[in-house]
Amino acid sequence: AQKITQTQPGMFVQEKEAVTLDCTYDTSDQSYGLFWYKQPSSGEMIFLIYQGSYDEQNATEGRYSLNFQKARKSANLVISASQLGDSAMYFCAIQAYGQNFVFGPGTRLSVLP
Amino acid sequence: DAGITQSPRHKVTETGTPVTLRCHQTENHRYMYWYRQDPGHGLRLIHYSYGVKDTDKGEVSDGYSVSRSKTEDFLLTLESATSSQTSVYFCAISESPTGTNTGELFFGEGSRLTVL
Repeated sequence: AQKITQTQPGMFVQEKEAVTLDCTYDTSDQSYGLFWYKQPSSGEMIFLIYQGSYDEQNATEGRYSLNFQKARKSANLVISASQLGDSAMYFCAIQAYGQNFVFGPGTRLSVLP
Repeated sequence: DAGITQSPRHKVTETGTPVTLRCHQTENHRYMYWYRQDPGHGLRLIHYSYGVKDTDKGEVSDGYSVSRSKTEDFLLTLESATSSQTSVYFCAISESPTGTNTGELFFGEGSRLTVL
């Protein structure tokens, strides 16, 4: 079985600063993917970034990067140069090969002006 | 944006009444899912489908049933709604991961259900 832990229920960051959202996972599978989703107050779920278990490079998508430490089973999301529009819930998820997605409880990020 | 629509978007109903939520996709994706979102729990899988008439249970399937008679439609039914089923329901679709596709989920806008 897969499990995702997000230990930060809420985070604050000053506009233009970088912020790291923590995600640790548990799986016995060797092949899996890690995903981050953003949910703004409007409610939609937006896919941000993906990291495969065999990817040697950390994934990056614009201001988003994933700090993947396989031995520690962590997949932290780093947002650089925070913007007010980054205020949202952020969910980490894992999908082991051939299995369903498992989501963490989420972290609410608030960007302060 | 993935073509996924959910209906209704908002519904208030009474305990004991049946409720059906519809998910319609225009992407021809094989996999379809129903999740519920509750504070502190993230998203939890109710049921999923891997093809027409092929469905299976997720982690919180009690009190729910699903049907998929066409590739594009996935229905979630609460046979007799209870207050514990008050939640936001999300439909999602995906395809199998390939070399260029991560297999990510694409979500609908969500359906807010209140059971009084």
